[in-house]
Amino acid sequence: ETGVTQTPRHLVMGMTNKKSLKCEQHLGHNAMYWYKQSAKKPLELMFVYSLEERVENNSVPSRFSPECPNSSHLFLHLHTLQPEDSALYLCASSQDWLAGETQYFGPGTRLLVL
Amino acid sequence: DAKTTQPPSMDCAEGRAANLPCNHSTISGNEYVYWYRQIHSQGPQYIIHGLKNNETNEMASLIITEDRKSSTLILPHATLRDTAVYYCIVRVRTGGFKTIFGAGTRLFVKA
Repeated sequence: ETGVTQTPRHLVMGMTNKKSLKCEQHLGHNAMYWYKQSAKKPLELMFVYSLEERVENNSVPSRFSPECPNSSHLFLHLHTLQPEDSALYLCASSQDWLAGETQYFGPGTRLLVL
Repeated sequence: DAKTTQPPSMDCAEGRAANLPCNHSTISGNEYVYWYRQIHSQGPQYIIHGLKNNETNEMASLIITEDRKSSTLILPHATLRDTAVYYCIVRVRTGGFKTIFGAGTRLFVKA
């Protein structure tokens, strides 16, 4: 029981589609994160939100647009994606935005872009 | 954050102890050692962390050398469900978050 849920668990979309990934944490944490995990590659940190403000953006293309309406919810809006964007997208949360805080991960959304 | 070096893969017999090494020779005094694991197609799971002293919890033990340049994660009685990729990460506990997950060690627990 991680307390972090993600929907959908699987998503197939065309390059012209617009879709959104949703993450919800039930742990009362103040920080939330988006990671990308491509096949046979390490986890890549995409975005960090602390108290609903974006504090980290690791040179992610603009076709990925995060949104954090409150400290419990995090979205990743997708539009005009490329096939190389196919990956496992993981959401995580931690109590605060401190480097040493333990992160709790959701199960991920497996995205396939055709 | 300091870089870490881990073997790409290891095997372990079910019921035996799994000892996963990690080198972090450039670790600084205020950096902690964290271990996570990722079972296939799931999100990473926190295991344990430590600074200087050895640590133990219900999942594992963490042994950190006196010079802090390396550490070992010990799963005392490995089960088939412990088959996963294990990540060793070192980072400070202040300032912004820039965790870098490396390739990790793929542990295969065999019956």
